[in-house]
Amino acid sequence: DGGITQSPKYLFRKEGQNVTLSCEQNLNHDAMYWYRQDPGQGLRLIYYSQIVNDFQKGDIAEGYSVSREKKESFPLTVTSAQKNPTAFYLCASTKAGGPNNEQFFGPGTRLTVL
Amino acid sequence: GQQLNQSPQSMFIQEGEDVSMNCTSSSIFNTWLWYKQDPGEGPVLLIALYKAGELTSNGRLTAQFGITRKDSFLNISASIPSDVGIYFCAGHNDMRFGAGTRLTVKP
Repeated sequence: DGGITQSPKYLFRKEGQNVTLSCEQNLNHDAMYWYRQDPGQGLRLIYYSQIVNDFQKGDIAEGYSVSREKKESFPLTVTSAQKNPTAFYLCASTKAGGPNNEQFFGPGTRLTVL
Repeated sequence: GQQLNQSPQSMFIQEGEDVSMNCTSSSIFNTWLWYKQDPGEGPVLLIALYKAGELTSNGRLTAQFGITRKDSFLNISASIPSDVGIYFCAGHNDMRFGAGTRLTVKP
């Protein structure tokens, strides 16, 4: 079945450590996105990538980094520079162009920094 | 990014009642999307709207793309307990989301 996978579902890290969250899709989608969600809040865009080897900052990119070396993969690194990293992280993808630009989401990774 | 204003923030209703929520923007969108999120899960797409004035249904859900292309609403008829969750609107232009409407349905 096609879809978006994020792993792990729950992640715990010590303060000051970098951590990388995985996002893989087999939908052949061109664009991929990372969002952050805090309790009771909406989704805030961290980074997005419309094409391999290219990505753009979203609204809250500070303290995060991404790479897009393969179409299927868009890992997010939460660096020690991110002041408040504990949150629910959601990855999404869309097929760029055309009339049908529905965005599909992965199941999310809940990161807790101790 | 463009601002999306979603209202209401939360709703507490009795099972069987109808629900209405909406999103507005100061900017024009080419596509409006409505999602539902269950606790601890990723949002799931409910309805996608592509044309101004378009009215689309998905079971008990109905959504409309405003004529001005700056707003959209989502209606849920005859609510049931499993409708509980957070509903988000999104405008396609830059994939920003509204803050969500948290729906609670009392049996």
